[in-house]
Amino acid sequence: DADVTQTPRNRITKTGKRIMLECSQTKGHDRMYWYRQDPGLGLQLIYYSFDVKDINKGEISDGYSVSRQAQAKFSLSLESAIPNQTALYFCATSDLQEGGELFFGEGSRLTVL
Amino acid sequence: RKEVEQDPGPFNVPEGATVAFNCTYSNSASQSFFWYRQDCRKEPKLLMSVYSSGNEDGRFTAQLNRASQYISLLIRDSKLSDSATYLCVVNPPPGSSYKLIFGSGTRLLVRP
Repeated sequence: DADVTQTPRNRITKTGKRIMLECSQTKGHDRMYWYRQDPGLGLQLIYYSFDVKDINKGEISDGYSVSRQAQAKFSLSLESAIPNQTALYFCATSDLQEGGELFFGEGSRLTVL
Repeated sequence: RKEVEQDPGPFNVPEGATVAFNCTYSNSASQSFFWYRQDCRKEPKLLMSVYSSGNEDGRFTAQLNRASQYISLLIRDSKLSDSATYLCVVNPPPGSSYKLIFGSGTRLLVRP
């Protein structure tokens, strides 16, 4: 089983719908991240959390919210999806004690019509 | 200027060739650097860390040039399986929140 698991892996939805992407990890890492990837733009940080009580905005947080329900779980919500939120979303974890390497989930492909 | 810049490619090379990618970064105080590999529609995975003057791992060599603010990745004896996108990643200076900065990636195609 993957150490970082994202659900759903693929989702097609309509403009205005609320969408939640979930991420769970078994690595025991404190730090968790949500990124989106668009062709030609690389990975952009949406939100990150260094522990359960710590939530921080990234570069492109507008239109998104997150919840860190437990050390192992970090979910991303789109309250009212719009077409330009169509992208590939990655959850990642890291542990400073392990040199800060990011471990990514397999990605969630979201299409907003 | 982008914080991290890469030539998007694609670099199209024959098997066995040597290929090199460069990545430039804008913050001279950046401390550590990484190369990640991303296969099509897959998640990025760490290929190499670059901490000081560079390091080598088999056919892969990563080098850091602080004076000119760039890092490079050299791949020798290219294999078909090396076809992927290579992401340059920069760690901000100490004191900043820990947020790695990703380049947009360089695509490599190795042909038979």
